[in-house]
Amino acid sequence: DTEVTQTPKHLVMGMTNKKSLKCEQHMGHRAMYWYKQKAKKPPELMFVYSYEKLSINESVPSRFSPECPNSSLLNLHLHALQPEDSALYLCASSQDRGQATGELFFGEGSRLTVL
Amino acid sequence: AQTVTQSQPEMSVQEAETVTLSCTYDTSESDYYLFWYKQPPSRQMILVIRQEAYKQQNATENRFSVNFQKAAKSFSLKISDSQLGDAAMYFCAYRSANSGNTPLVFGKGTRLSVIA
Repeated sequence: DTEVTQTPKHLVMGMTNKKSLKCEQHMGHRAMYWYKQKAKKPPELMFVYSYEKLSINESVPSRFSPECPNSSLLNLHLHALQPEDSALYLCASSQDRGQATGELFFGEGSRLTVL
Repeated sequence: AQTVTQSQPEMSVQEAETVTLSCTYDTSESDYYLFWYKQPPSRQMILVIRQEAYKQQNATENRFSVNFQKAAKSFSLKISDSQLGDAAMYFCAYRSANSGNTPLVFGKGTRLSVIA
């Protein structure tokens, strides 16, 4: 299994809603990542989890709240978002350094629209 | 901080022809990886090819090959016998090998069109 699975694929929410994006991998990877991608732009790093602990937060607004309940699952909780937060949210995972081929494995992304 | 530069926002190639996408990077590290990822309109980021910095030999994957010039900090991608399915956004990316959780640093991307 070399897949990273993201749900939902599409999400439309109002500015007062609370929703969550989910990411799952069963490759035994211990690092997981959230990236945000606007149209025709490269992905921008948001968060990195390593061994279920938050290791990097790229000064992301608190209306985005990540969570890593276990080594296979990564969530991104969304609350009080703004229309400019509409984007493709990509999840990725990677191997431990000792086993690493170096690459990040990406999911298909969750397309978020904030009305 | 590491940076990745792709100077060609858009490229086009005739089907069956060869095209080269350019990438330069800046780093003070000695141990790192370089990648080319492809993102078609279906939006999933797909690994095309990887290069470990310590390897002098250029990586090759079927029709895809790289020209890795470590001293010049250059990492170009050559696509031979281009196919319609190669049309996509291509991102060059850098990753430090210092730990297991370092993120990718992406260039701005090159949109490749393939003309039938």
